[in-house]
Amino acid sequence: AQSVAQPEDQVNVAEGNPLTVKCTYSVSGNPYLFWYVQYPNRGLQFLLKYITGDNLVKGSYGFEAEFNKSQTSFHLKKPSALVSDSALYFCAVRDTIYNQGGKLIFGQGTELSVKP
Amino acid sequence: NAGVTQTPKFRVLKTGQSMTLLCAQDMNHEYMYWYRQDPGMGLRLIHYSVGEGTTAKGEVPDGYNVSRLKKQNFLLGLESAAPSQTSVYFCASSYAVGQRGTEAFFGQGTRLTVV
Repeated sequence: AQSVAQPEDQVNVAEGNPLTVKCTYSVSGNPYLFWYVQYPNRGLQFLLKYITGDNLVKGSYGFEAEFNKSQTSFHLKKPSALVSDSALYFCAVRDTIYNQGGKLIFGQGTELSVKP
Repeated sequence: NAGVTQTPKFRVLKTGQSMTLLCAQDMNHEYMYWYRQDPGMGLRLIHYSVGEGTTAKGEVPDGYNVSRLKKQNFLLGLESAAPSQTSVYFCASSYAVGQRGTEAFFGQGTRLTVV
């Protein structure tokens, strides 16, 4: 079965400090992994993705994520948090086994709060 | 380039009424999805489609029906609305697995209240 878990409902960080938002996944085949961000009363915006290759992927707004196959994790990171990074973050996975349709499954979301 | 467009943006229904949510995409994507977002539950997949004329059930399909008569449109129907269907509904589209660009693009959402 395909699933995604975000173990933290909320992450609090001081501005200028590094941030990490955690994500673990479970798929049958090889995963395609994604991070999205949602600002209040808005749709989801794509941040970055892992398809294959380098385990460290870089995305929009200075975010990056590290793919760890042995730990089935894909944690989102940023070296220096900004107050404007405060939002709801979602991890998502697509299973690459074609006959399962490659459907996109999301985690529960993590609320990131960055304080000045 | 409009991307993914959902209509309507807001709607209030009475219990037992029916309605259809429309999703349109102009990116020639094969895959389209309908999700609902509820506090603390993340985004849960209702139904999805891997191509014109095909649909499949997601995690929470009960009480909903869908149709994909044209590649660019994906309709979500509620035949008899219930208060438990009060939610924010998001449509998304993407290329198929293995094709260029696998990320999904989202509409702005439909806020539905069933009273």
